[in-house]
Amino acid sequence: EPEVTQTPSHQVTQMGQEVILRCVPISNHLYFYWYRQILGQKVEFLVSFYNNEISEKSEIFDDQFSVERPDGSNFTLKIRSTKLEDSAMYFCASSEARGRYTDTQYFGPGTRLTVL
Amino acid sequence: AQSVAQPEDQVNVAEGNPLTVKCTYSVSGNPYLFWYVQYPNRGLQFLLKYITGDNLVKGSYGFEAEFNKSQTSFHLKKPSALVSDSALYFCAVRVPNTGRRALTFGSGTRLQVQP
Repeated sequence: EPEVTQTPSHQVTQMGQEVILRCVPISNHLYFYWYRQILGQKVEFLVSFYNNEISEKSEIFDDQFSVERPDGSNFTLKIRSTKLEDSAMYFCASSEARGRYTDTQYFGPGTRLTVL
Repeated sequence: AQSVAQPEDQVNVAEGNPLTVKCTYSVSGNPYLFWYVQYPNRGLQFLLKYITGDNLVKGSYGFEAEFNKSQTSFHLKKPSALVSDSALYFCAVRVPNTGRRALTFGSGTRLQVQP
């Protein structure tokens, strides 16, 4: 069964450093998403991406964040200058983008980001 | 704004007994509702969803959920719990016809099934 994959599984970085989290969505999916889950808190939406542009973003997704589909398979989340409060589990998801928003989002296993 | 509440942080049930994990929602308009499960060190796995039609939705691993519009609830159920069902369960909502695809998640309920 196809699944979303993410690398690395765990990333440790120093405050102020840039990190890039990588995701390979399910191959025939057209919508891509990033969510995050701070330890002990809810899963929160960050951004969705369709047709090579951001289609929706939350207030969390500020100028420190960016997303990119650098090639036909990868989808990345970049945090330019990490802060301690960016420490969280980051989940990538993808969906088929069928009409009427009925499609299901399938999630990857997550990347645990630890900012020291 | 749309929101989801999972009123129980943890649910404990004995193996073989029926289980219920509660979810209520608050949206303007008709919701799309989802249940996901998270096993330790794993991502969120899709269990089932309600879009329209029959209020009782059947999903993976023998789980089902009942959409109740009057009570704005979407409780997850299983007739006979297994120890392997022990995990963290998340309810999520999306409202169609808003241009938004973002899921809004509840805070999660930890299900513990005792042998």
